[in-house]
Amino acid sequence: GAVVSQHPSWVICKSGTSVKIECRSLDFQATTMFWYRQFPKQSLMLMATSNEGSKATYEQGVEKDKFLINHASLTLSTLTVTSAHPEDSSFYICSAAPGQGHTGDTQYFGPGTRLTVL
Amino acid sequence: EDQVTQSPEALRLQEGESSSLNCSYTVSGLRGLFWYRQDPGKGPEFLFTLYSAGEEKEKERLKATLTKKESFLHITAPKPEDSATYLCAVSHAGSARQLTFGSGTQLTVLP
Repeated sequence: GAVVSQHPSWVICKSGTSVKIECRSLDFQATTMFWYRQFPKQSLMLMATSNEGSKATYEQGVEKDKFLINHASLTLSTLTVTSAHPEDSSFYICSAAPGQGHTGDTQYFGPGTRLTVL
Repeated sequence: EDQVTQSPEALRLQEGESSSLNCSYTVSGLRGLFWYRQDPGKGPEFLFTLYSAGEEKEKERLKATLTKKESFLHITAPKPEDSATYLCAVSHAGSARQLTFGSGTQLTVLP
């Protein structure tokens, strides 16, 4: 149980294009979904928190107009990197929290998406 | 501000050599302490959630314990497939379920 999928697993795009990454909770409903970015040899950096049906909350320093997050349902969140540039190349990971009671804090992570911008 | 410190940064063990990883935390109103395992190029895999001091949880060769200031992940008779980075994280009341992560311990188990 508690499986989270991400698609695509990797993507290569040209500078200036937009890329959409999907995150789905397959066997549970996720009240809250999170998007992280991870650089090599570093820990996870939280980018934003999204709740179903409401606007995402972005961490300080994360451009909300560049990283568009949509949480349209209790099982799907999307991250769109707009006008991507080489510095946006990174490993993007989503997570989902069931959000029920105390145990709802546990986040289940997707397998990640490797983005390379040429 | 929440702080999570993991030690050591890296640990090399021989197969069968038991050891412990440490996670020290400073948080106001701990809701949960979480252990994850991350393999290179993959997302973190959930291992345990601990909620209160004195709580222990086990899974195969892994055992997690929690005190008011730190958590230990004990690895008994590790195998090469236990090699990974182990991440510790905490959540606190009012954090909107956000997790604060430590920097991880990179474990290598040699055959």
